[in-house]
Amino acid sequence: KAGVTQTPRYLIKTRGQQVTLSCSPISGHRSVSWYQQTPGQGLQFLFEYFSETQRNKGNFPGRFSGRQFSNSRSEMNVSTLELGDSALYLCASSLGQMDTEAFFGQGTRLTVV
Amino acid sequence: SQKIEQNSEALNIQEGKTATLTCNYTNYSPAYLQWYRQDPGRGPVFLLLIRENEKEKRKERLKVTFDTTLKQSLFHITASQPADSATYLCALAAGETSYDKVIFGPGTSLSVIP
Repeated sequence: KAGVTQTPRYLIKTRGQQVTLSCSPISGHRSVSWYQQTPGQGLQFLFEYFSETQRNKGNFPGRFSGRQFSNSRSEMNVSTLELGDSALYLCASSLGQMDTEAFFGQGTRLTVV
Repeated sequence: SQKIEQNSEALNIQEGKTATLTCNYTNYSPAYLQWYRQDPGRGPVFLLLIRENEKEKRKERLKVTFDTTLKQSLFHITASQPADSATYLCALAAGETSYDKVIFGPGTSLSVIP
């Protein structure tokens, strides 16, 4: 079966701009979680969506938002980009129970200049 | 405060030896703990899950233990190979239900030297 697909793979944006990242989960998976990964902070949880509802949220400012569509595809948006937002953004899909395996995409490498 | 720690950022071992990676946590009461492998430029890949009522779990050359009293999990790779070189991450649920967010440790970079 097809894996988790994230688009785009690479992105360069300017400070102050906004960006939208996309994640297509594995067919049948209803949960999508987003993470930010940086060398200094590791994998930081952003939020999780399940059946179009945000079910969990991490400790990120309101500039970070997301949504999930009826086909389980998810998008995350970052507004008013800052240099510190440069990171690898990963999404993971699963069946929904957190004690099951999560499948990660390749990530989107965002660089803010 | 809640914290997940993994032993030294980097671990170097000789091929054929057993690698032991540690995951310690504080102020969590996870019902389960997971281990993932991450290669450079790629997303993490699931390896093993162990529940709080399981002391040990094995999968081929991998073994995981979970001690809820010590708040610690050990991850062992026996007969290590250079192909095992990667970053290994432990992860646990931040709460006590099956729907709580999954939090990752900082990872341990393992290098297996031929």
